[in-house]
Amino acid sequence: DIQLTQSPSFLSASVGDRVTITCRASQGINSNLAWHQQKPGKAPKLLIYAASTLQSGVPSRFSGSGSGTEFTLTITSLQPEDFATYYCRQLQSYPITFGQGTRLEIK
Amino acid sequence: EVQLVESGGGLVQPGGSLRLSCAASGFSFSDYYMDWVRQAPGKGLEWVGRVRKRTNSYTTEYAASVNGRFTISRDDSKNSLYLQMSSLKTEDTAMYYCVKVDSKFYFDYWGQGVLVTVSS
Repeated sequence: DIQLTQSPSFLSASVGDRVTITCRASQGINSNLAWHQQKPGKAPKLLIYAASTLQSGVPSRFSGSGSGTEFTLTITSLQPEDFATYYCRQLQSYPITFGQGTRLEIK
Repeated sequence: EVQLVESGGGLVQPGGSLRLSCAASGFSFSDYYMDWVRQAPGKGLEWVGRVRKRTNSYTTEYAASVNGRFTISRDDSKNSLYLQMSSLKTEDTAMYYCVKVDSKFYFDYWGQGVLVTVSS
């Protein structure tokens, strides 16, 4: 199974900050990675697919990069609605796996 | 507007069975793979399994943790997805999400989730 390790697991930041979350895969997954955002009590929402393509309707302050085994999600100029938990997910091979999540909280 | 509405959750004893349903609307259901993803209370996301579309013979894939106990199926005439769960364990307690898989295999739409609690 492909393991995804996110860092950090917890992040405290302020409105207006720029933050970066990393997702490392245990083996190469090309660009077969997505990022999801989940707010408390809600279903996850797709933010980025193919490692760097923004899903329709997602603000441009979100961006993704990387390929192979290391990927990043960057949020520039944090907004109040961005405080949530973020998950990476690989679709290179079965079983489909998620990172453990990064909880982004307001400082 | 794409909508995925899960139902059928509830409290079940260990060793019991439960069937979840997901009613889909707003897209051509038969054209897409569909998945189930779950989330234990306070934990992360765990993929449960997938059912492919008719042109892929409705074949399925499962996570090792549920393989042999859970069965995913679909009824395209009813725009519905199902998750038959048997031999339930306390560790199966989770919110279960129905997920639409787009043509590039990304999870583009999620249902609101249905809670399954396995407890005596």
